[in-house]
Amino acid sequence: DTAVSQTPKYLVTQMGNDKSIKCEQNLGHDTMYWYKQDSKKFLKIMFSYNNKELIINETVPNRFSPKSPDKAHLNLHINSLELGDSAVYFCASSQEVGGRASEQFFGPGTRLTVL
Amino acid sequence: GNSVTQMEGPVTLSEEAFLTINCTYTATGYPSLFWYVQYPGEGLQLLLKATKADDKGSNKGFEATYRKETTSFHLEKGSVQVSDSAVYFCALSDQGAQKLVFGQGTRLTINP
Repeated sequence: DTAVSQTPKYLVTQMGNDKSIKCEQNLGHDTMYWYKQDSKKFLKIMFSYNNKELIINETVPNRFSPKSPDKAHLNLHINSLELGDSAVYFCASSQEVGGRASEQFFGPGTRLTVL
Repeated sequence: GNSVTQMEGPVTLSEEAFLTINCTYTATGYPSLFWYVQYPGEGLQLLLKATKADDKGSNKGFEATYRKETTSFHLEKGSVQVSDSAVYFCALSDQGAQKLVFGQGTRLTINP
């Protein structure tokens, strides 16, 4: 039983294209996240949604647009892909406990390669 | 603001060696602290956590103690195995914060 799943696992595309990555969690959590991990493994938070409401938007180009149709899903759409968008994108979820983010559960990642 | 600093990698050890990966933090409140592990080609998994001062988190032979006086949460293991080769991330969650703050990750390689 996969807790946090992402599709696709690999995505290879040309510069200028538009692509989407999907994420689903079956843990009943109320908060979901998107992270970008570069080639040096540095992890950077991009967005966070709590009960379908955007709560974190960290200096990300507006070519990136998250969408949360319900609290179990958080998708990431990227317009006009650039070479620098090549990275591994991770989805995660957590349940807020006592007014703070608790441990996060991560998906397996989507490796995006822009040619 | 909140931040996490980990020891620079990469770290290379022989099997059965003792491991320490240092982690120090800066937080405005009383954070919860976490260690995550990322095996090659996979997402991050929670390894252990501690939610208050002097708590010790442990899992799979790894341990870390929440030291408020030194603002540290160092990861230790007495005898590492080749299968422990991975990237390790220290992270914190502060009161009122809606996200985790991660360190830069430390790549660990264990040679047989």
